[in-house]
Amino acid sequence: AQSVTQLGSHVSVSEGALVLLRCNYSSSVPPYLFWYVQYPNQGLQLLLKYTTGATLVKGINGFEAEFKKSETSFHLTKPSAHMSDAAEYFCAVRPWGGGADGLTFGKGTHLIIQP
Amino acid sequence: DSGVTQTPKHLITATGQRVTLRCSPRSGDLSVYWYQQSLDQGLQFLIQYYNGEERAKGNILERFSAQQFPDLHSELNLSSLELGDSALYFCASSGDREHYNEQFFGPGTRLTVL
Repeated sequence: AQSVTQLGSHVSVSEGALVLLRCNYSSSVPPYLFWYVQYPNQGLQLLLKYTTGATLVKGINGFEAEFKKSETSFHLTKPSAHMSDAAEYFCAVRPWGGGADGLTFGKGTHLIIQP
Repeated sequence: DSGVTQTPKHLITATGQRVTLRCSPRSGDLSVYWYQQSLDQGLQFLIQYYNGEERAKGNILERFSAQQFPDLHSELNLSSLELGDSALYFCASSGDREHYNEQFFGPGTRLTVL
């Protein structure tokens, strides 16, 4: 069984400030980890993913995340927030290996950017 | 644009009715996934099909069923609808060699049950 916990249903940062969205997971096997972004009235878009290899993963729009196995975390960061980053962000997990099973999502974090 | 299409965009119906949601995956993708997004439950995986065969089941109610056709499009059938079935239903696809571990999401169908 697996689960995802996103700390903070809402996070507010000033434009230009650091963005940090937290994600912790629980998985009985090594996981694949993902961050998705959802803009209002749209589907989900993949920001970045961790499968194997380098634990620091770079994604689109200047976002990156680091897989820390010892902390079972996969926090999302961006050095400088932009107004266009305002959206809902979802962390997701899938068991390593195999093509079966859907994603298990966290409850999401709403990112608010203050001008 | 993810390349995944879903129809209709919006659907309004009454309790007790049955509806069908349609999804066309990205070209070349063999896997189709269905998800439900609601305020109460968040994003939940419902079911996965791979090349026409059911591959995995999540939190799908018995009143719901799905299938994937030879041309790889998929349909999600929701019957005996209840108010609580009002939600956004997403289809996702994956499977091409380059993006094996990625799921590409469609724009969703918003279902309102009155």
